[in-house]
Amino acid sequence: DAKTTQPNSMESNEEEPVHLPCNHSTISGTDYIHWYRQLPSQGPEYVIHGLTSNVNNRMASLAIAEDRKSSTLILHRATLRDAAVYYCILRPSGSQGNLIFGKGTKLSVKP
Amino acid sequence: NAGVMQNPRHLVRRRGQEARLRCSPMKGHSHVYWYRQLPEEGLKFMVYLQKENIIDESGMPKERFSAEFPKEGPSILRIQQVVRGDSAAYFCASSPRNEKLFFGSGTQLSVL
Repeated sequence: DAKTTQPNSMESNEEEPVHLPCNHSTISGTDYIHWYRQLPSQGPEYVIHGLTSNVNNRMASLAIAEDRKSSTLILHRATLRDAAVYYCILRPSGSQGNLIFGKGTKLSVKP
Repeated sequence: NAGVMQNPRHLVRRRGQEARLRCSPMKGHSHVYWYRQLPEEGLKFMVYLQKENIIDESGMPKERFSAEFPKEGPSILRIQQVVRGDSAAYFCASSPRNEKLFFGSGTQLSVL
């Protein structure tokens, strides 16, 4: 399975934008880029996913590099509730299998 | 539409007892996944089931662990003769097809 690399931790100030990077240099042409997050004492929560084009939803934006070897999850205005571990995961198109979680990035948000 | 329901939320067992963890997927979802998370570690895949079938159990320990997803009723993860090393958070997820997974809040298993 293709692997992703993320920083172990990041800090942000409340109400400021946050850019969470992910490297996936071995991504294949059919791999979708998924982002999940896990708040303390909770199960993971889907955030966003994309293939080639940038994606926006009510939670976040996903910026995908032109060569698809990296992507960035953008939280436009961090809140204290956004403090969580963020996971960047590759999933082949049409895959019925499981998601492979790495260590993710632990985001701390300061008031 | 209720989310993925897991119960119990907390389960305490003594070494050698059996643990049964239940997961009710979201309505209309026929795919169920079980994950385990040890303290300060990431989630590890255990098993993937569709109704009445185990599709992938490559992450499940060969002994003491079993899972089912019957035609009627919740998915069950059963751990026989629990040991202290089984203490962890167990998460269930469901999905309707090859799409995003919806996770429950987990069952925290503590083995004394």
